Amino acid sequence: EAQVTQNPRYLITVTGKKLTVTCSQNMNHEYMSWYRQDPGLGLRQIYYSMNVEVTDKGDVPEGYKVSRKEKRNFPLILESPSPNQTSLYFCASSFDLGSGANVLTFGAGSRLTVL
Amino acid sequence: DQQVKQNSPSLSVQEGRISILNCDYTNSMFDYFLWYKKYPAEGPTFLISISSIKDKNEDGRFTVFLNKSAKHLSLHIVPSQPGDSAVYFCAASARNTGTASKLTFGTGTRLQVTL
Repeated sequence: EAQVTQNPRYLITVTGKKLTVTCSQNMNHEYMSWYRQDPGLGLRQIYYSMNVEVTDKGDVPEGYKVSRKEKRNFPLILESPSPNQTSLYFCASSFDLGSGANVLTFGAGSRLTVL
Repeated sequence: DQQVKQNSPSLSVQEGRISILNCDYTNSMFDYFLWYKKYPAEGPTFLISISSIKDKNEDGRFTVFLNKSAKHLSLHIVPSQPGDSAVYFCAASARNTGTASKLTFGTGTRLQVTL
C-alpha cells in the first residue's frame, strides 16, 4: 500500500530533550515536506526537500532540523524542544510539485507535546 | 501574513443540501489551487484542484469555482452526505514562479453534515 509513515504518532516530552520524528514513504517520491498544524493557523510548512541531499526552509523552520540522506526518509529533528513546538506534525510527499498537480500524500500525523 | 484565508471556521449543513466552503487569497502569483479534506486522527487527503486558466472544475459531487479577479475560490458539495463531515483546507501554489514546492494552506473549515 502506498503510504507515508510517521513515528511516533504521539509523544510527550520535556523542554530541551532532543527528539526525532521519522518519516518514510514507499512511493519513490522525490519531494518531501514537513508541516505543523495549529489551531487558527492551519498547516504551515516547516522544511521541504526536492530530492536527496536537497533541503530548504519553509515558513516556520526555527527550532527544527531535517536531513534527506535517502530518498524514502525525511526525519524531523528537534534539537532542544520548547513548549511552543507543541503541535500536530505532518509529513507529506509528492513526485514533483512543479510539473504536476501538486498533490501531496500526507502521513497520519504526529502529536507532540513539550512540557 | 495569511496569504490563504478561510474565514469560516465551521459550517453546518443538512444532509442532501449544498455545502459551500469559501477561500480567499492575497498573492496574485498563485496559479494553482487545491482542496484537501481531513478526518480526525488522519492526514489530509487530496480532494480536487483547479488551475488558474480555468474557472470551474468538477469531480462527481465536488465542484471548485475560481474567481481570479476577486481572488476567491469556493468548493461546492452537492448533495452533502454525513461522510463529508471533516475539516477542509484550501491550498495554493505559484508554479509559474519556480516556487511550486511551496504549498500555502488556509486555516481550514470544519464541515458538519447533519441528518
